[in-house]
Amino acid sequence: GESVGLHLPTLSVQEGDNSIINCAYSNSASDYFIWYKQESGKGPQFIIDIRSNMDKRQGQRVTVLLNKTVKHLSLQIAATQPGDSAVYFCAENPYNQGGKLIFGQGTELSVKP
Amino acid sequence: DTAVSQTPKYLVTQMGNDKSIKCEQNLGHDTMYWYKQDSKKFLKIMFSYNNKELIINETVPNRFSPKSPDKAHLNLHINSLELGDSAVYFCASSRGRGSSYEQYFGPGTRLTVT
Repeated sequence: GESVGLHLPTLSVQEGDNSIINCAYSNSASDYFIWYKQESGKGPQFIIDIRSNMDKRQGQRVTVLLNKTVKHLSLQIAATQPGDSAVYFCAENPYNQGGKLIFGQGTELSVKP
Repeated sequence: DTAVSQTPKYLVTQMGNDKSIKCEQNLGHDTMYWYKQDSKKFLKIMFSYNNKELIINETVPNRFSPKSPDKAHLNLHINSLELGDSAVYFCASSRGRGSSYEQYFGPGTRLTVT
């Protein structure tokens, strides 16, 4: 069946270190991938996205890497800050399915000061 | 200037009751969604509407009935509530209904069925 899974349910890093959150997806028809950040008591918030014709995209302190060969997605956060503590979800958007997002289970990132 | 709003934020009710959750977006988007987040934080799509037309229905029990009076609103009505309906329900909207459209999420409604 369709699934997007994350390798690590929790990740603890020291403030200032870089964080890497990984994700595996299974739907070859997906052509758009998104990382969301969800803080406690709030809705998911868009961080960065990448289309299937790209393998890397950079934002402010964040980079998303896409490896279609092994169906792997990662989110890199540079110089992690306490405000980055949240649950991070990857999501895939299969082509021609009306915008449906398939979410992974999430990785909880904890940043130690 | 809230983009996607939901009411209520918390809802506690007993099994067997009927309840509704409301969602409104002021972004001028054409497409709206309902997602359910369970106790393990797994998010799964339930419904999607585009310009008041249902386009996604993900094998949700027919006790759940979405209603879109206009493209800025998508409400969720739940009949005969069950314990397993306890979850956080998120509304979202996007400019279009295809892939590659960013979805904006509301703050969620935490439903507790006792």
